[in-house]
Amino acid sequence: EAGVAQSPRYKIIEKRQSVAFWCNPISGHATLYWYQQILGQGPKLLIQFQNNGVVDDSQLPKDRFSAERLKGVDSTLKIQPAKLEDSAVYLCASNAPGTGVINEQFFGPGTRLTVL
Amino acid sequence: AQKITQTQPGMFVQEKEAVTLDCTYDTSDPSYGLFWYKQPSSGEMIFLIYQGSYDQQNATEGRYSLNFQKARKSANLVISASQLGDSAMYFCAMREGVNSGNTPLVFGKGTRLSVIA
Repeated sequence: EAGVAQSPRYKIIEKRQSVAFWCNPISGHATLYWYQQILGQGPKLLIQFQNNGVVDDSQLPKDRFSAERLKGVDSTLKIQPAKLEDSAVYLCASNAPGTGVINEQFFGPGTRLTVL
Repeated sequence: AQKITQTQPGMFVQEKEAVTLDCTYDTSDPSYGLFWYKQPSSGEMIFLIYQGSYDQQNATEGRYSLNFQKARKSANLVISASQLGDSAMYFCAMREGVNSGNTPLVFGKGTRLSVIA
């Protein structure tokens, strides 16, 4: 079974530029999460999708961040314009509720963003 | 609001020895799940072990065990017989509403474990 795919793995941009990240979850996983992990901290949820609908985007800085999951499969996260404090690893995760009590989230390899 | 606290920024352990990584949590939901993840330098999050709030016994998975003390709201990870490959960041995380399945995880700040030969 293929895991969660993310691209690119690394991205370096200058502040005020735009950037987009892509995530393809495990096949059949209806729930998709984007987490932001700043260096030295644990991941923090940015947005959660159930199929193509947003469940929780309360911690997404909506003035600069946007995300979509148009067909309920893959997802893109965009930052426009980027700030220095956006430097972080962006992790995508997915799970398939109803498959057991644990309902483990499976994480992708992440995209490491550096804003100069 | 749910919260996870990991008070050990870094830990060292001798190869083949056991080590305990601390985690305390706070939640008002009686139904929750606790997770431990390992994050090597390559960056991926690897699921290690899970403990549900209603589980009567402490979880075990191979060399990993979870010392769950519900009254103290602690869920410490014990790694037995440490190996050099155990060197990584370790994160404790919690999900409220254990049976809902699709609530996000709240993570602690992590503990960096270094195994010494």
